[in-house]
Amino acid sequence: GAGVSQTPSNKVTEKGKYVELRCDPISGHTALYWYRQSLGQGPEFLIYFQGTGAADDSGLPNDRFFAVRPEGSVSTLKIQRTERGDSAVYLCASSLRGNNSPLHFGNGTRLTVT
Amino acid sequence: AQSVTQPDIHITVSEGASLELRCNYSYGATPYLFWYVQSPGQGLQLLLKYFSGDTLVQGIKGFEAEFKRSQSSFNLRKPSVHWSDAAEYFCAVGAGQAGTALIFGKGTTLSVSS
Repeated sequence: GAGVSQTPSNKVTEKGKYVELRCDPISGHTALYWYRQSLGQGPEFLIYFQGTGAADDSGLPNDRFFAVRPEGSVSTLKIQRTERGDSAVYLCASSLRGNNSPLHFGNGTRLTVT
Repeated sequence: AQSVTQPDIHITVSEGASLELRCNYSYGATPYLFWYVQSPGQGLQLLLKYFSGDTLVQGIKGFEAEFKRSQSSFNLRKPSVHWSDAAEYFCAVGAGQAGTALIFGKGTTLSVSS
């Protein structure tokens, strides 16, 4: 079956611009996670959704970052006033129930802020 | 809060030789432990997981890992490495509670020489 899909695969934007990154989880997975992976680092947790609500957003670095999942399926990560330090690969993962069910990752969106 | 340390940034192993990748975790209770692999241009793939029970767990692609509570370790092993195993390997720990996300180590890059 289809895995986790992330679009776009690459995004180049200018400093100060607004970007949206999309994640389509595996059908039926109630839990959805956003991670950020910088070069040479492991994935860094950003936010976790259980259904439509953000169960844990403690990893969002500041108020420029926001994510939604209005219908409990597709999620959008939104970054306002982008900075060069936001450049990274943004990974989305879904799992059947959360609660440490194995995560299924997408291939990520590589964001470059120039 | 939980944390993960992967002491080795880069390891080179000859094809056919055995492999051990180290992982140490910090968590006050019994952790949920995972190993993921990331090949170039691909998403993270689950190799194996430990939740409870037998401390030696078997995973895909011939990998295994052993949970040692006394050493706070969850090292990944493979008896005979293949050139296709060259990738980046991440250890992750979960707190075992609903609504908590996995915390990843910084990863170990495995190179395989012929």
